[in-house]
Amino acid sequence: DIQMTQSPSSLSASVGDRVTITCRASQNINSYLNWYQQKPGKAPKLLIHTASSLQSGVPSRFRGSGSGTDFTLTISSLQPEDFATYYCQQTYSMLTYSTLTFGGGTKVEI
Amino acid sequence: QVQLQESGPGLVKPSQTLSLTCTVSGGSISSGGYYWTWIRQHPGQGLEWIGYIYYSGSTDYNPSLKSRVSISLDTSKNQFSLKLSSVTAADTAVYYCARLLWSGDSYVDYWGQGTLVTVSS
Repeated sequence: DIQMTQSPSSLSASVGDRVTITCRASQNINSYLNWYQQKPGKAPKLLIHTASSLQSGVPSRFRGSGSGTDFTLTISSLQPEDFATYYCQQTYSMLTYSTLTFGGGTKVEI
Repeated sequence: QVQLQESGPGLVKPSQTLSLTCTVSGGSISSGGYYWTWIRQHPGQGLEWIGYIYYSGSTDYNPSLKSRVSISLDTSKNQFSLKLSSVTAADTAVYYCARLLWSGDSYVDYWGQGTLVTVSS
């Protein structure tokens, strides 16, 4: 299985801060990397797909970058509604009929 | 707007079979290009892919669950279902159904709200 390692597992930030979350894959996954935001008691919501494509309706302060094994989610100016847990997910495994995997999550707190 | 809704018992006894159904509205599960997916989340933990089914009926499962999992389609009702046998307390989780797009790009674009299933006697 492809392992996805997110860091940090949690962070404290303030409104207006620039926040960066990283996700590392255990092997090359090209750009098959997605980012989701999850708030307590809710389903995850797609933010970024294919490493850097902003999902429709998602604010432009969210930016994804990277390819291969190293990826980054950046929130340029943290807003109150951005306090949540963020997950990366690789779907490269669909090419080889193996396990889709998520990162362990990064909780963004005040 | 596609919507997915999970349904099924919220409490299952150990050793029994967990059965959930996902009803899809606003889109057909018979459309190509989408994999109808189950994902779970243990309390306070991360996300775990369980498996998916394509409109053709082909399936793929997480190897860690493969011996106990079955996903099926009911195109007449626009539903897909999950069965997980021989459950234990370790299967207590929120279960999500979701639509996974596969068209070169690949991502989950729609999720159900999730349903908590507790395994307990």
